[in-house]
Amino acid sequence: AQSVTQLGSHVSVSEGALVLLRCNYSSSVPPYLFWYVQYPNQGLQLLLKYTTGATLVKGINGFEAEFKKSETSFHLTKPSAHMSDAAEYFCAVALMNSGYSTLTFGKGTMLLVSP
Amino acid sequence: DAGITQSPRHKVTETGTPVTLRCHQTENHRYMYWYRQDPGHGLRLIHYSYGVKDTDKGEVSDGYSVSRSKTEDFLLTLESATSSQTSVYFCAISEQGGLGSMDEQYFGPGTRLTVT
Repeated sequence: AQSVTQLGSHVSVSEGALVLLRCNYSSSVPPYLFWYVQYPNQGLQLLLKYTTGATLVKGINGFEAEFKKSETSFHLTKPSAHMSDAAEYFCAVALMNSGYSTLTFGKGTMLLVSP
Repeated sequence: DAGITQSPRHKVTETGTPVTLRCHQTENHRYMYWYRQDPGHGLRLIHYSYGVKDTDKGEVSDGYSVSRSKTEDFLLTLESATSSQTSVYFCAISEQGGLGSMDEQYFGPGTRLTVT
C-alpha cells in the first residue's frame, strides 16, 4: 500500500532563506507524486507534480521538487522564502484503488516565514 | 480557477441529524472526490466517483454516503451526524483518473461542519 510521510509538522524560516520541506513515500510501483499548497481558509492548489520523465520538477511560485527513487523521496525546495509563502504544504502520492487512481496525502507541513 | 462550488460553506448541526453537503462543478470532469481535513491528519478520502451513478469508498467512508445523479453534482450525506464528523470537507474534481493515469485534482473552497 502507498503512504506518504512528511517530516516536521512545522518548519520556520527567515525571509530570503532556503525552504526545504521533506516528503518520503512508499509505493510498490512507480509513483505519481504531487505537492499542494493551502493558504488559510482556502482549498488546495497544485504546486507541482511528477509523473514520468525528468526527475527535477519545477512548479509555480519558484518551487521545485526532485524525485529520488533510491531514497523514496520527493522533497520540496525554494531558494529564497517570501512572506507570501507562509501556508500549509501537502505531499501526495497516487494510489490505485479498484482500477482508479486516488490520492493519499501526507499530514501536512506548516511553513512559517519570519521577516 | 476551476469552477467548483460547495454548499453550504458553513454549517452547525446537532448530533443525530442528517446533513447533506453539495459539490457542484462546471468543468464537466468525470472524476469527483470528497475529503475531510482534520488537524494532524491531512486530507483523507471519504468517497469518490468515476462517473454518473458510479461511486466507491475511500479510506474513511464509515458514516458517510454519496450520490451522483448528474455529472456536475456530487452529494455527501451524513445519515446521522456525530461529533467525530466535525471537520472541514473538501470536494475535488479531475479530468483523468483511470488506471495508470492521474491528472491533477482541483479543489473546492471547503465546507466547515460543526456537530454539537
